[in-house]
Amino acid sequence: KAGVTQTPRYLIKTRGQQVTLSCSPISGHRSVSWYQQTPGQGLQFLFEYFSETQRNKGNFPGRFSGRQFSNSRSEMNVSTLELGDSALYLCASSLAPDDTIYFGEGSWLTVV
Amino acid sequence: DAKTTQPPSMDCAEGRAANLPCNHSTISGNEYVYWYRQIHSQGPQYIIHGLKNNETNEMASLIITEDRKSSTLILPHATLRDTAVYYCIVRAPRNYNSGSARQLTFGSGTQLTVLP
Repeated sequence: KAGVTQTPRYLIKTRGQQVTLSCSPISGHRSVSWYQQTPGQGLQFLFEYFSETQRNKGNFPGRFSGRQFSNSRSEMNVSTLELGDSALYLCASSLAPDDTIYFGEGSWLTVV
Repeated sequence: DAKTTQPPSMDCAEGRAANLPCNHSTISGNEYVYWYRQIHSQGPQYIIHGLKNNETNEMASLIITEDRKSSTLILPHATLRDTAVYYCIVRAPRNYNSGSARQLTFGSGTQLTVLP
């Protein structure tokens, strides 16, 4: 069965631009969460969606947003990009919020 | 969620068992112990989880002490492909007030290097 799929895998953006990252969860999984990984801060939770509703949010500025569609696919958006937003963005899915979480391969974002 | 303490790095000879310890002395009764690993530049991979009893799957075994204050992940026959950062995480079930699950809180993990 296919795992969590994230697109694009790699992208380069300029400061001030915005970016949208996409995530397709494992088939049947309805809960999707997003994490940011940087060398300095490690893996940090961004937000969690279940049934198209944001259920939990990490300590990130409002420039970071997301949404979930009726088919459980999710997108996250970062507006007004800053150099410090360069990171690996990971999407993870689970059957339901309490279940085991499985990660995708991530989207590498470089802001120049 | 309870914090975990892991050694920053460990080496293991290929073919030998790798035993990765984790201390979670403040774990609550309803918190599970999860193990993930992350190979460089890839997303974390789920390995195993448990609450009280020892668990085994095709990848590894998880031994949780009786007082649940520590656990050990065992890779029975380590290969070079097991070289990765291993994360031990404790996670509570759903926050019934908000309806949201507790997210995974990653520490620094243990860098396991399997040597030929």
